[in-house]
Amino acid sequence: DADVTQTPRNRITKTGKRIMLECSQTKGHDRMYWYRQDPGLGLRLIYYSFDVKDINKGEISDGYSVSRQAQAKFSLSLESAIPNQTALYFCATSDSSPPLAGVYNEQFFGPGTRLTVL
Amino acid sequence: KQEVTQIPAALSVPEGENLVLNCSFTDSAIYNLQWFRQDPGKGLTSLLLIQSSQREQTSGRLNASLDKSSGRSTLYIAASQPGDSATYLCAVGGSRLTFGEGTQLTVNP
Repeated sequence: DADVTQTPRNRITKTGKRIMLECSQTKGHDRMYWYRQDPGLGLRLIYYSFDVKDINKGEISDGYSVSRQAQAKFSLSLESAIPNQTALYFCATSDSSPPLAGVYNEQFFGPGTRLTVL
Repeated sequence: KQEVTQIPAALSVPEGENLVLNCSFTDSAIYNLQWFRQDPGKGLTSLLLIQSSQREQTSGRLNASLDKSSGRSTLYIAASQPGDSATYLCAVGGSRLTFGEGTQLTVNP
């Protein structure tokens, strides 16, 4: 089973509609992130959360909101979708606690949600 | 503002060739650098992560180096295979990552 899951995987909606993208993880990580990917622009950070009570804006938060319902769940909402929000959206997680050996802050990504706003 | 550049944007090589992908960044005050692989229509798979205090990391046929002072990293792929065909992304930062646009690699049989 995938460690980071995203629902839905594909969504087509109309301008002005409210949309929620959901992310769940079973990795036990405390940190979660939302990115969008656009051709020619790479991945850009929308919001991130270091724990359930800590939510921060990223590079491009305008037009988006998030909710951290539990350590394992982080959802992204578009209150009123517009066509330039058409993109591939990724959720990611990382662990703030360093292991005894190895690396930390490594980010692990979900499979993505392809959102089209008409 | 951190900027990350990956060169080349696309690369096509014959199977078996050794190759190097390049990543450069403008702000050397990074915590780590992470290399990812992205297959078409799929998510990102973490390949290697180098902490700022490290110079390189190896995993199988992959070797990533980091030179913070010059703002550069390279991903070396040995004995390339068609299954290595994908887009390779580098990202720098720490808990907040800044991504390059990627290098699209095609390995021809």
